Amino acid sequence: GESVGLHLPTLSVQEGDNSIINCAYSNSASDYFIWYKQESGKGPQFIIDIRSNMDKRQGQRVTVLLNKTVKHLSLQIAATQPGDSAVYFCAESRYNFNKFYFGSGTKLNVKP
Amino acid sequence: GAVVSQHPSWVICKSGTSVKIECRSLDFQATTMFWYRQFPKQSLMLMATSNEGSKATYEQGVEKDKFLINHASLTLSTLTVTSAHPEDSSFYICSASPRVVFNSPLHFGNGTRLTVT
Repeated sequence: GESVGLHLPTLSVQEGDNSIINCAYSNSASDYFIWYKQESGKGPQFIIDIRSNMDKRQGQRVTVLLNKTVKHLSLQIAATQPGDSAVYFCAESRYNFNKFYFGSGTKLNVKP
Repeated sequence: GAVVSQHPSWVICKSGTSVKIECRSLDFQATTMFWYRQFPKQSLMLMATSNEGSKATYEQGVEKDKFLINHASLTLSTLTVTSAHPEDSSFYICSASPRVVFNSPLHFGNGTRLTVT
């Protein structure tokens, strides 16, 4: 089926730096996007979401950017901390239905 | 709020036996729950949509007779892996949303690690 993919499987950053995690999706019907954080042995944890009628949304230390023209999504984490180390997934849903498809994930390593 | 709980958190079973995994929404009702499977260092793959009071809908390539889903109440969905084999060993995760409206985040349980020997 259609998939959501990522450019970088692993990202290493220095503590305090900003991180950018990217995601590409393929279905033009995708209309709602979420970034999840998954720590080892746990379920995904919601970080931030964005609807297709927006191109940017900010949260606490995180920003999501959506470019529908090129079907690209990014997550920016400001002042990355060791506690941010995890695997990050983008997920998308379509047709206003709460069924989500996940991208392949990026592992974020934060070096102290 | 919006807590999803899974049980057990891990299980080891012998090849050929069946294993049941429970998913509960603790502080909300969920007419729909979703089951995912995750292999090591891979993404979450949607297996099926569990519908309260009706049959589950399965994603393409997922064997419905292999993975039996029952959603008997608004707070409980179960996934039974029948005649389990070593290749079924995986991390199974359920999710649900407390909101009736669409475009709302799914909340996930902490998963069940299944090992088939």
